Amino acid sequence: AQTIHQWPVAEIKAVGSPLSLGCTIKGKSSPNLYWYWQATGGTLQQLFYSITVGQVESVVQLNLSASRPKDDQFILSTEKLLLSHSGFYLCAWSQHLNQDTQYFGPGTRLLVL
Amino acid sequence: QQKVQQSPESLIVPEGGMASLNCTSSDRNVDYFWWYRQHSGKSPKMLMSIFSNGEKEEGRFTVHLNKASLHTSLHIRDSQPSDSALYLCAVSSNTNKVVFGTGTRLQVLP
Repeated sequence: AQTIHQWPVAEIKAVGSPLSLGCTIKGKSSPNLYWYWQATGGTLQQLFYSITVGQVESVVQLNLSASRPKDDQFILSTEKLLLSHSGFYLCAWSQHLNQDTQYFGPGTRLLVL
Repeated sequence: QQKVQQSPESLIVPEGGMASLNCTSSDRNVDYFWWYRQHSGKSPKMLMSIFSNGEKEEGRFTVHLNKASLHTSLHIRDSQPSDSALYLCAVSSNTNKVVFGTGTRLQVLP
């Protein structure tokens, strides 16, 4: 069975500080990977997706970047956090790009002060 | 930009009652529709998917799809307090990313 882990579980960071969030998928080779952001009580906004190692596509510009250093790893980062970055960050995977059920990780809750 | 509208925004039903949720896409190219459920503080979990016109039933949950009107609905019969959650509709096409709707917050009162 596939499992998806995210780290850290939660973060409290200062405006202007750097951030790195991680996601690991186990039990699935060559998954399509996604980063989503969710404001409190809001809808999910897709930020990035990746079809393969080293290849990441940006969906929206939020002063964030993403990388896929390994087949099973997806990283979300920024050098300078903004207050608007606060929210719930979710990593997800699917078998086929866009045409398939998305399976979400447990998420990372971020508060920027 | 493609929009996915859900209604109502919030819904309160008594335990044992029927909850009906709606979702409409603005993109005529969408082919795939999902319903996800997200309990408070947790990540979304896929509840049901439907890709063809008609109806699909799984236990207490029934989903309808009308592709001509780009409308899908989710019906929960015999609602339980554990069904209280945010329900998100998601759509996609072969060439476009998955887009999630605005959500319906369901509360089932014991």
